[in-house]
Amino acid sequence: SQQGEEDPQALSIQEGENATMNCSYKTSINNLQWYRQNSGRGLVHLILIRSNEREKHSGRLRVTLDTSKKSSSLLITASRAADTASYFCATDGNQFYFGTGTSLTVIP
Amino acid sequence: DVKVTQSSRYLVKRTGEKVFLECVQDMDHENMFWYRQDPGLGLRLIYFSYDVKMKEKGDIPEGYSVSREKKERFSLILESASTNQTSMYLCASSPRVGGAETQYFGPGTRLLVL
Repeated sequence: SQQGEEDPQALSIQEGENATMNCSYKTSINNLQWYRQNSGRGLVHLILIRSNEREKHSGRLRVTLDTSKKSSSLLITASRAADTASYFCATDGNQFYFGTGTSLTVIP
Repeated sequence: DVKVTQSSRYLVKRTGEKVFLECVQDMDHENMFWYRQDPGLGLRLIYFSYDVKMKEKGDIPEGYSVSREKKERFSLILESASTNQTSMYLCASSPRVGGAETQYFGPGTRLLVL
């Protein structure tokens, strides 16, 4: 399976700290996306990074991509309680492949 | 904003029943997808469609069928529901063929099969 895997599975931090989660995948990709899912809801797209990009920013989000290691990381700076959610990476191929997610808890 | 709606948030059915899950998107997207989400397994693609009346199997199509008679509507059908189909079902749409486009998700339907 080309499915990505996020690491760690769960992460708990204090409000104001930075949160870093990682994604590893198995085969070549054209792009990688990160999504957020609040409890019991659908997924919401956060950011897309293409295979020829190494880093991308969007507000408090920073995504890096290392195609040689087949890995990506998502950094959320100055976390807020509202960032509490599950985060998934998704890679493209013939179809989308989602990882199993990192559950982030931000403690106020 | 893109809106993807699903017919039910929660559904309880009995084993052997035929179940219809409906998904509607309002942005004229070509692609539509059905996933199921289970703890520890992430999202798994059941079926997708890139055009009206077209469908492609995903990773786990067994026990499911789909219908896309209109561009905005994509239905997932459980012909004879079983307890192992208890899950969260997520519908998504995207605006173009290929993997580079963002997927927009509905709120999900939590199905319980007794």
